[in-house]
Amino acid sequence: GDSVTQMEGPVTLSEEAFLTINCTYTATGYPSLFWYVQYPGEGLQLLLKATKADDKGSNKGFEATYRKETTSFHLEKGSVQVSDSAVYFCALSARRGGADGLTFGKGTHLIIQP
Amino acid sequence: DAGITQSPRHKVTETGTPVTLRCHQTENHRYMYWYRQDPGHGLRLIHYSYGVKDTDKGEVSDGYSVSRSKTEDFLLTLESATSSQTSVYFCAISESGQGGYFGPGTRLTVT
Repeated sequence: GDSVTQMEGPVTLSEEAFLTINCTYTATGYPSLFWYVQYPGEGLQLLLKATKADDKGSNKGFEATYRKETTSFHLEKGSVQVSDSAVYFCALSARRGGADGLTFGKGTHLIIQP
Repeated sequence: DAGITQSPRHKVTETGTPVTLRCHQTENHRYMYWYRQDPGHGLRLIHYSYGVKDTDKGEVSDGYSVSRSKTEDFLLTLESATSSQTSVYFCAISESGQGGYFGPGTRLTVT
């Protein structure tokens, strides 16, 4: 079946550091890929997405490129801020009889220290 | 923000009692989903709906049922709650069937 693997953390960085959160997937066909962010006590917010190979999703300084050859969708940001502290989820969406439930990784807890 | 509300936001109930969680949307999106979030598991799909009265099972559907009698409402029912169903439940909606927008969650504790 479909699966998503990501580093669980916690990942602790200093403010202005470069961020990479690795995400790899297993799926049949050509899934769409997503990154969601969850701030403490809140629901999930869509951060970015990519729907086909070599697409780059970007939002709020975050980027991720859909790499079919390595089945990866790593999240990057050039300079993190304390406000980026949250849990980040990688997810995929593969067609399922007309409705696409998401398959999630377990989440990566990111802590940014001032 | 997408118009999704969940009720109740918090609930404590006893083992063996029935519980119904409600998801309400104002976006007129076709697809609606219920997920549960547990430490070490991320989010897992319970049930989903692709239209009024059209529903199907997800990865962890045992012990849960759903109903969708109107486009805007998707109900999740635990017929007889167990401690293993203590979790945070999220509803999501999607127009295209790709990805989705999530509600604020319901924290359910079964004692």
